[in-house]
Amino acid sequence: DARVTQTPRDKVTEMGQEVTMRCQPILGHNTVFWYRQTMMQGLELLAYFRNRAPLDDSGMPKDRFSAEMPDATLATLKIQPSEPRDSAVYFCASGLVTGTGGADTQYFGPGTRLTVL
Amino acid sequence: AQSVTQLGSHVSVSEGALVLLRCNYSSSVPPYLFWYVQYPNQGLQLLLKYTTGATLVKGINGFEAEFKKSETSFHLTKPSAHMSDAAEYFCAVSESAGGTSYGKLTFGQGTILTVHP
Repeated sequence: DARVTQTPRDKVTEMGQEVTMRCQPILGHNTVFWYRQTMMQGLELLAYFRNRAPLDDSGMPKDRFSAEMPDATLATLKIQPSEPRDSAVYFCASGLVTGTGGADTQYFGPGTRLTVL
Repeated sequence: AQSVTQLGSHVSVSEGALVLLRCNYSSSVPPYLFWYVQYPNQGLQLLLKYTTGATLVKGINGFEAEFKKSETSFHLTKPSAHMSDAAEYFCAVSESAGGTSYGKLTFGQGTILTVHP
């Protein structure tokens, strides 16, 4: 049963520290999404990639967040420096998106719960 | 631009009662519509989706939803609630073929379903 995996599942860090979250998409999927979930804002799309190329990262604070796909099996989301307002659950999702539209299912990982003190 | 409105952040029903979760959308192109479910401390899981064809869509766990273009709605229903249905439910919209979203989803704020014995 193919699944999206994310590490770490939980991360507690102090303000100013660098945080790196990792995601392994389902093998064969060509699109990877990063979401952030908070009580106040709900689910927000931060960035997404197709065939490892960034398509849209307009949802990310550019000065401190960065997202990359070093290879087809790994996506990373980095925060440097972290701030208390970054505390949230970060989800990675992957899908096999055909064409330019989006009928295809996104498969979500279990999330990384980040707490910045 | 697309948007999704879920009416009611909390819905409470008795076990065995009808479940109705409301979702209205706004989209400049024909939409693809999704319902996802999130159990505590887990990622989102697809319940059902509408792409084209039959407007009544059946999903997992006995849920179904009907796409009503004239009302721009995609309400989720289940005839008889079970305790295991307690979770948070998200409605989402994506651009159809011809769009340039590459599968990007816009989510509603979520509805927490509570099921009482």
